[in-house]
Amino acid sequence: GAGVSQSPSNKVTEKGKDVELRCDPISGHTALYWYRQRLGQGLEFLIYFQGNSAPDKSGLPSDRFSAERTGESVSTLTIQRTQQEDSAVYLCASNQIAGGSSYNEQFFGPGTRLTVL
Amino acid sequence: QKEVEQDPGPLSVPEGAIVSLNCTYSNSAFQYFMWYRQYSRKGPELLMYTYSSGNKEDGRFTAQVDKSSKYISLFIRDSQPSDSATYLCAVPFSMIYNQGGKLIFGQGTELSVKP
Repeated sequence: GAGVSQSPSNKVTEKGKDVELRCDPISGHTALYWYRQRLGQGLEFLIYFQGNSAPDKSGLPSDRFSAERTGESVSTLTIQRTQQEDSAVYLCASNQIAGGSSYNEQFFGPGTRLTVL
Repeated sequence: QKEVEQDPGPLSVPEGAIVSLNCTYSNSAFQYFMWYRQYSRKGPELLMYTYSSGNKEDGRFTAQVDKSSKYISLFIRDSQPSDSATYLCAVPFSMIYNQGGKLIFGQGTELSVKP
C-alpha cells in the first residue's frame, strides 16, 4: 500500500518568506508526527496529532512554526518568516495507535528538504 | 545531558566485518528501545526494537539492551555494502507507548561498509 508522502521534496526559499510543507499519512493512521533533522543530526520532535485530541506542540521551536491537521488526513507545517537556521529536512510520520501491549511503529515519509538562503 | 546520546561516527568498515553501534540513555523508566535505519535522502525505517532488557536477533542484526548501565547496542554480523546507512537509536518519550507519542532520537551513526 501507499506509504507516507510529503511535498514538496525540496524547497528553496529566501530568508523572511513563509513556507508550507505537506504530509499525507498512511490511510487509517490516527496519529501524525512532524520531526526536523538538521544536517548530520538525529530527529527532533516538533508536533504530534492524535485523533481529536489537542496536539502536542511541545517541540515547536518558536511561534513562527505552526501545524494543522484536517481530521485524520493531510497535515500542513507552516514556517513563517523563515530564518537560515530553519534549513533542515522536515520529516512526517504516522501510525495507528492500537493499544494493548503492542508496539506501534511510526512510518516515516521521505521528508522535505528546506533550504533558506 | 541529552536523553539519548549516540556517537555520530562516521564509521567505516570492510565488508564482512562485525559492526557495533551504541547509544546511552538517561531515563531509567524507558522500556522500549528502537533502531531505525536511514538511507541517504530517505526517511528512517524501523529496523528492530526491544522491550526491556535482553537481546533480540533478526538475521544478521542483534539488538541488545542493558538497563543496568542504560546502554543500547546494535550488532551487525557479516556486514554488507547495502548496510551503508545512518543508524539511529530511539526511545518513546511516553512510558505508555501504546498510546502514541513522540520518539526521542540519538544523533545517528553514519556507517559505510566498503566492498
